[in-house]
Amino acid sequence: GAVVSQHPSRVICKSGTSVKIECRSLDFQATTMFWYRQFPKQSLMLMATSNEGSKATYEQGVEKDKFLINHASLTLSTLTVTSAHPEDSSFYICSARDLGPAEAFFGQGTRLTVV
Amino acid sequence: AQSVTQLDSHVSVSEGTPVLLRCNYSSSYSPSLFWYVQHPNKGLQLLLKYTSAATLVKGINGFEAEFKKSETSFHLTKPSAHMSDAAEYFCVVSERGAQKLVFGQGTRLTINP
Repeated sequence: GAVVSQHPSRVICKSGTSVKIECRSLDFQATTMFWYRQFPKQSLMLMATSNEGSKATYEQGVEKDKFLINHASLTLSTLTVTSAHPEDSSFYICSARDLGPAEAFFGQGTRLTVV
Repeated sequence: AQSVTQLDSHVSVSEGTPVLLRCNYSSSYSPSLFWYVQHPNKGLQLLLKYTSAATLVKGINGFEAEFKKSETSFHLTKPSAHMSDAAEYFCVVSERGAQKLVFGQGTRLTINP
């Protein structure tokens, strides 16, 4: 099946700094990418939907200035957590989906710890 | 509006016995339905999908699911559990033409030796 590569898998940063997470579709062009946040023992919470070449659509309650999403090409989307704080510590997962009723393919996830 | 309800938050079975993970959905139009598996600190892997073809769908690792429109269900089964099946399982629905996926709350599957 298709492969989505997410990097880094684990990152520790200091409070107040910014962290960038990359999500790449390796063998298909992803017109739509999604960013999720997952709290321990919970389901995935959709943060935003990004379409190549346009602004991301953020879910209610997600701060767009804090979680910057860029989808500059059909194979790359990035999530930047700006001015990170300990409460931003979480597991972040991206997914990519092509047109039609196709399934979404997920990255391996990024464990962010803000100290 | 779409929604998904996974009826059990935790299922525990013995190795070699059948597995049943239950999922009910609500969708206004013809849905696409998926089951994903997540191992600890990993992304999600597709087990199987239903997209209006055969109602009995076979997936990877011996899993299968049956789409029952009259019951709005899409339960996941496996005849014989293996230790490696221990993980979190998510039932997911998407309406045709819709970008978003709607996730169930997840079912944690534990396999006892």
